[in-house]
Amino acid sequence: NAGVTQTPKFQVLKTGQSMTLQCAQDMNHNSMYWYRQDPGMGLRLIYYSASEGTTDKGEVPNGYNVSRLNKREFSLRLESAAPSQTSVYFCASSELQSSSYNSPLHFGNGTRLTVT
Amino acid sequence: AQSVTQLGSHVSVSEGALVLLRCNYSSSVPPYLFWYVQYPNQGLQLLLKYTTGATLVKGINGFEAEFKKSETSFHLTKPSAHMSDAAEYFCAVSEGSNYQLIWGAGTKLIIKP
Repeated sequence: NAGVTQTPKFQVLKTGQSMTLQCAQDMNHNSMYWYRQDPGMGLRLIYYSASEGTTDKGEVPNGYNVSRLNKREFSLRLESAAPSQTSVYFCASSELQSSSYNSPLHFGNGTRLTVT
Repeated sequence: AQSVTQLGSHVSVSEGALVLLRCNYSSSVPPYLFWYVQYPNQGLQLLLKYTTGATLVKGINGFEAEFKKSETSFHLTKPSAHMSDAAEYFCAVSEGSNYQLIWGAGTKLIIKP
């Protein structure tokens, strides 16, 4: 069972470079999310997609864009990377929107991004 | 605004000892409450959740948590720690119509042999 798959696992960028983080889930979930995790700050929601064809900003969307390519895939793009975007990025999915009690989040293993 | 406070960024216990990880929240309405666990180099996974009903909730791996409305707390406990419990634990709360999760900062559990 693959669950939620993120690529790449590690990435180093120079300031100003762009890249796309890929995420795919095979659980037929409707909702998908991108979080960033920084030490001592828990998880912060960047963007989410409640269902195919929709995307919404989360708590920290600046500097990011997303695409819900189809029901399975949800990508996160950094157009011009900055050192402040050094973080661990997690993709997650749930059957229904977000944390409604019947829909726990299923996480990928993360992408460790360093921007120099 | 909702918030979640986890007391202690690191908690160290001996193998076999009681584990107690504290979580307090602020919410103007009855919340949904969650504990997630993150093992090294992995994503998070659901440990347990409180929605409605019984205030003592049992989760995986022998963990349980009790919702105390009067104290706005949802502390996580395990009677006897095992080396495999070493991980980071996150408390989260949701409320309201958009059901977005608000996360605590996390507590890293260290198990001493």
